[in-house]
Amino acid sequence: GAGVSQSPRYKVAKRGQDVALRCDPISGHVSLFWYQQALGQGPEFLTYFQNEAQLDKSGLPSDRFFAERPEGSVSTLKIQRTQQEDSAVYLCASSRQGSTGELFFGEGSRLTVL
Amino acid sequence: AQKITQTQPGMFVQEKEAVTLDCTYDTSDPSYGLFWYKQPSSGEMIFLIYQGSYDQQNATEGRYSLNFQKARKSANLVISASQLGDSAMYFCAMREYNYGQNFVFGPGTRLSVLP
Repeated sequence: GAGVSQSPRYKVAKRGQDVALRCDPISGHVSLFWYQQALGQGPEFLTYFQNEAQLDKSGLPSDRFFAERPEGSVSTLKIQRTQQEDSAVYLCASSRQGSTGELFFGEGSRLTVL
Repeated sequence: AQKITQTQPGMFVQEKEAVTLDCTYDTSDPSYGLFWYKQPSSGEMIFLIYQGSYDQQNATEGRYSLNFQKARKSANLVISASQLGDSAMYFCAMREYNYGQNFVFGPGTRLSVLP
């Protein structure tokens, strides 16, 4: 499709398990963002890529969170040793170079840690 | 550091009436963009409207308009002729174009349109 694609849409993990969330941005979009959204709250910034370069990872809550975008296209957000407080919707968004910077969002990956 | 404030956790409006959702922001970057997104209960984030910091006129998109008051660092969203389908969470967001290109969101306002 032409939009941002995220998988899996739903993930249930036992506490302590590792999870990997995938984001396939719109083709040609240079910028890619990851956000964490708790129920009823605004998206909280996690990290930002421009092509393959991770320019800002200041929002990653702990060293258990790791993101990569090795070829400047698909990105993976990895959470190691999941905790219950990691339960949230993880949103991926991308934007074009040279535009106003409007973000196009995927449908999100809902992570539930039991 | 960027900051977006939305002081109205929830708002009610009667169908066909206009409503204003408040947003204030803080930045030291002279070049920035302000955005409003709608998030219905289904969860998708829908872009509504954009205002650039150097734009002289307030942005409008159909029933949406942005009341931009730069000196007050205010970017309120006005929805005219509210419809039942406007019931959703609304997020104000800002992107700085010089300082790191980050894109941050406010806490949101839940709008409920009453029949």
